[in-house]
Amino acid sequence: DVVLTQSPLSLPVTLGQPASISCRSSQSLVYSDGNTYLKWFQQRPGHSPRRLIQRVSNRDSGVPDRFSGSGSGTDFTLKISRVEAEDVGVYYCLQETYWPYTFGQGTKLEIK
Amino acid sequence: EVQLVESGGDLVQPGGSLRLSCAASGFTFSDYNMDWVRQAPGKGLEWVGRIRNKANTYTTEYAVSVKGRFTISRDDSKNSLYLHMNSLKSEDTAVYFCSTRWLGDWGQGTLVTVSS
Repeated sequence: DVVLTQSPLSLPVTLGQPASISCRSSQSLVYSDGNTYLKWFQQRPGHSPRRLIQRVSNRDSGVPDRFSGSGSGTDFTLKISRVEAEDVGVYYCLQETYWPYTFGQGTKLEIK
Repeated sequence: EVQLVESGGDLVQPGGSLRLSCAASGFTFSDYNMDWVRQAPGKGLEWVGRIRNKANTYTTEYAVSVKGRFTISRDDSKNSLYLHMNSLKSEDTAVYFCSTRWLGDWGQGTLVTVSS
């Protein structure tokens, strides 16, 4: 299976400050069609996961533009430009290039 | 509005079986692939499996951890998705979510506890 390694696993951030989460893959996530199938999800406490970003950098409808995704090959990053209180939760990356799909371990974002 | 409602979660003994259901509404169910994702208590997300739509002949994919024990099926006439779980182990204890539209929509989950 493809292993996704997220860092850090815990991310204390001051309100209004930026945050960055890394997701590294054990192999390139570039599919044979040229696309890279890497998604980001947010899971707020007590809630179901919410998709934030598809194919590395495409933000879902309704997702604030302070969230952005970037990266290529095996290295990917989710950035929050200015953290707000509602951003508290756990963030996961997911690869869909290979079967079976695999998630990263999750990064817990909290307010410092 | 897309709605996914899981049901069927229960306490079951190791080695036992259980069937989860997911009732879908608010979208054309038959057009979409459907996924199951689980989350053990206090742990991260684990993708369980997918069933494709009729156009893709209802083929399935599974995580290694459940392959051969779990089976995903669907009934498009009832807008329903199922997860048939056999030979359950303690490590299958989790909240099970159904999801669709490329993991863009999720249910609230149903809890399966495997314990004697």
